Amino acid sequence: NAGVTQTPKFQVLKTGQSMTLQCAQDMNHEYMSWYRQDPGMGLRLIHYSVGAGITDQGEVPNGYNVSRSTTEDFPLRLLSAAPSQTSVYFCASSYGKGDAFFGQGTRLTVV
Amino acid sequence: KQEVTQIPAALSVPEGENLVLNCSFTDSAIYNLQWFRQDPGKGLTSLLLIQSSQREQTSGRLNASLDKSSGRSTLYIAASQPGDSATYLCAVRPAANQAGTALIFGKGTTLSVSS
Repeated sequence: NAGVTQTPKFQVLKTGQSMTLQCAQDMNHEYMSWYRQDPGMGLRLIHYSVGAGITDQGEVPNGYNVSRSTTEDFPLRLLSAAPSQTSVYFCASSYGKGDAFFGQGTRLTVV
Repeated sequence: KQEVTQIPAALSVPEGENLVLNCSFTDSAIYNLQWFRQDPGKGLTSLLLIQSSQREQTSGRLNASLDKSSGRSTLYIAASQPGDSATYLCAVRPAANQAGTALIFGKGTTLSVSS
């Protein structure tokens, strides 16, 4: 099983550019979520989804959009990248409130 | 607001020692608690999941305990090895969260085991 797959692994953006971080899971999990990890801050929740067509905001949603058109995919969009969005981004999925599985992360630098 | 604290932030031990990592949380209304391992530059790997009704879970040399009423969990690693060197993260899933999907993480304990 592939589990949770994130692409790309690394990305450099210029301030103001837009991009989409991809996340796909092949475990038929209902719940998916995006976190960012910053030194000294730990992992913080950006957005989450409890199923196709349903999304909601987490702790740090500003500057990010999400959509969930299928069970498998949960892309994270940065509309206008800012240096403050330099971080490592992790996507996670779980079957209900059970064991959470994480992707390998996307390391994003905004210059 | 639920807060998760992990102590110590860093720990160095010689190979073979038994050790305990601590995790505390401020709100005892949790659905479950999960321990993860993270190697440098990598994603998170789940180690143990403890449901709120459970007191402990074991996997190999790892044993995690949960005392929900006091807001504490410990991860016990027996006979530590250099390969155990990593950052260990504790996360709780609040019972009160409507979606039930929002893990709240501590900042982790970075473990270094020397040979």
